Amino acid sequence: GQQLNQSPQSMFIQEGEDVSMNCTSSSIFNTWLWYKQDPGEGPVLLIALYKAGELTSNGRLTAQFGITRKDSFLNISASIPSDVGIYFCAVVAGGTSYGKLTFGQGTILTVHP
Amino acid sequence: GAGVSQSPRYKVAKRGQDVALRCDPISGHVSLFWYQQALGQGPEFLTYFQNEAQLDKSGLPSDRFFAERPEGSVSTLKIQRTQQEDSAVYLCASSFQTSGIKNEQFFGPGTRLTVL
Repeated sequence: GQQLNQSPQSMFIQEGEDVSMNCTSSSIFNTWLWYKQDPGEGPVLLIALYKAGELTSNGRLTAQFGITRKDSFLNISASIPSDVGIYFCAVVAGGTSYGKLTFGQGTILTVHP
Repeated sequence: GAGVSQSPRYKVAKRGQDVALRCDPISGHVSLFWYQQALGQGPEFLTYFQNEAQLDKSGLPSDRFFAERPEGSVSTLKIQRTQQEDSAVYLCASSFQTSGIKNEQFFGPGTRLTVL
């Protein structure tokens, strides 16, 4: 089946540092999404990307949709303790019109104050 | 609360027991999804409803898993004769539309199922 490869698996950083994580696929997708999941909660959408090459920002978050449509990255600038959580990339599964999602394995982010 | 709610939040079952997990989607949302999230993994699709119609159940791992949404609102995921490998967080998500690339899914907090 479709598989997304997300890296790194985990990151331990100091408050104030910038963070970068990425997601790759062997297949082409037309929509890339980035979610954050806090402990005991469901994923929350951070950024949605709909066009190859698109660069989108949401506050301190910036994400890009790769030009090949097979990858995406998420950057977090000037990290703060509340950035702690698990970040997932996701794509809308091909062959469906209703938006079935396929997720990466996640990047666990720890921020030391 | 206008978000997706799920109950119970935690469920412990003995192997072989049946369990029922409930999802209350956002009012007016036509689409409803169930996902299974194993420990340390991303969510994986189980099944999809458009109103009361179950249009995709390709992700259900076995015939022990059954989902329904009889009135097009609340949904129940039932697992019969639970096994240890069923231990996971079960997430429900709803969206307003039935199609379209900007059809955002809103997730509930999940039900953590532990099978002993």
